Amino acid sequence: EPEVTQTPSHQVTQMGQEVILRCVPISNHLYFYWYRQILGQKVEFLVSFYNNEISEKSEIFDDQFSVERPDGSNFTLKIRSTKLEDSAMYFCASSSTQRETQYFGPGTRLLVL
Amino acid sequence: AQSVAQPEDQVNVAEGNPLTVKCTYSVSGNPYLFWYVQYPNRGLQFLLKYITGDNLVKGSYGFEAEFNKSQTSFHLKKPSALVSDSALYFCAVRDRKNYGQNFVFGPGTRLSVLP
Repeated sequence: EPEVTQTPSHQVTQMGQEVILRCVPISNHLYFYWYRQILGQKVEFLVSFYNNEISEKSEIFDDQFSVERPDGSNFTLKIRSTKLEDSAMYFCASSSTQRETQYFGPGTRLLVL
Repeated sequence: AQSVAQPEDQVNVAEGNPLTVKCTYSVSGNPYLFWYVQYPNRGLQFLLKYITGDNLVKGSYGFEAEFNKSQTSFHLKKPSALVSDSALYFCAVRDRKNYGQNFVFGPGTRLSVLP
């Protein structure tokens, strides 16, 4: 069964450093998403992406965040200058259409020191 | 604005007993409703969804959920719990009329099935 994959599984970085989280969505999906889950808290929407542009973003997704689909398979989330409060599990998801189920990857646990 | 409530942080049931994990929602229009499960150190796995049609939805691993429009609820149920069902369960909603594509998740309910 196709699945969403994410790399790395864990990332430790120093405050102020840039990080790039990578995702490979399910191959025939057209809609891509990033969510985050701060430890012990609920899953929060960050951004959705379709047709090579952001279709929606939350208040969390400020100028420090960016997304990109650099090729036909990868979908990346970049945090330009990480803050302590960016420490969280970041989930990528994809769906075939806007209405359909979103399938989530296993997540990348980011720790900012 | 959309919102989801899961009134119980923790649900404990004995193996073999029926289980219910509660979810209530608030949207301005008609909802799309979903249940996901999260095992330790794993991502979110899709269980089931309600889009339209029959209010009783059957999903993976023997789970089902009933959409109740008047009570704005979408409780997750299973007739006979397994120890392996122990996990964190999230209810999620999307508003059909909302142009956004994102889910709003509930805070999660930790299910513990005791042998």
